[in-house]
Amino acid sequence: DIQMTQSPSSLSASVGDRVTITCRASQSISSHLHWYQQKPGKAPKVLIFAASSLQSGVPSRFSGSGSGTDFSLTISSLQPEDFATYYCQQSYNTPWTFGQGTKVEIK
Amino acid sequence: QVQLQESGPGLVKPSQTLSLTCTVSGGSISSATYYWGWIRQPAGKGLEWIGRIYTTGNTDYNPSLKSRVTISVDTSKNQFSLKLSSVTAADTAVYYCARERRVVLGVIMGYYFESWGQGALVTVSS
Repeated sequence: DIQMTQSPSSLSASVGDRVTITCRASQSISSHLHWYQQKPGKAPKVLIFAASSLQSGVPSRFSGSGSGTDFSLTISSLQPEDFATYYCQQSYNTPWTFGQGTKVEIK
Repeated sequence: QVQLQESGPGLVKPSQTLSLTCTVSGGSISSATYYWGWIRQPAGKGLEWIGRIYTTGNTDYNPSLKSRVTISVDTSKNQFSLKLSSVTAADTAVYYCARERRVVLGVIMGYYFESWGQGALVTVSS
């Protein structure tokens, strides 16, 4: 299985901050990397697919980059509704696997 | 806008079979663009992909669960289902059904979870 490792596991930030979360794959996955946001008690919601493509309806403050083994999700200016847990997911080989999650908390 | 809704027992006894159904509305389960999958999440933990099915009945399963999992599709009802046998307390989780959208990424197709159900909590306990 391809292992996905996110860092940090959690972070504290203020509204308006620029936040970057990284995801590393245990082998090259090209651009088969997707990012999700999950709020408590809710299903995950896709933000970015194929490493850098913004899902329809997602605010442009979210962006993704990377290819191969190293990827990042950036929130350019953190908003109150962005406090949540973020997951990366690879779809290069089954079984699809997720990172362990990054919890973004209010400072 | 497609909607997915999980249904099934919220409590299952150890060693029995967990059964959930996902009803799809606002879109056809027979569409060639999508797979239909199951993901689970134990309380306070991360996401685990269980498996998926295509409209033709073709399936992929997570090897960690493969011996216990069956996913099936009923195109006439626009539903797909999950069965997980011989459950233990470790199978207690919120179970999500989701639509996997295909995206072209070079020579290999990529898939991401475009739409999700709200989730169904299944507790394994006697």
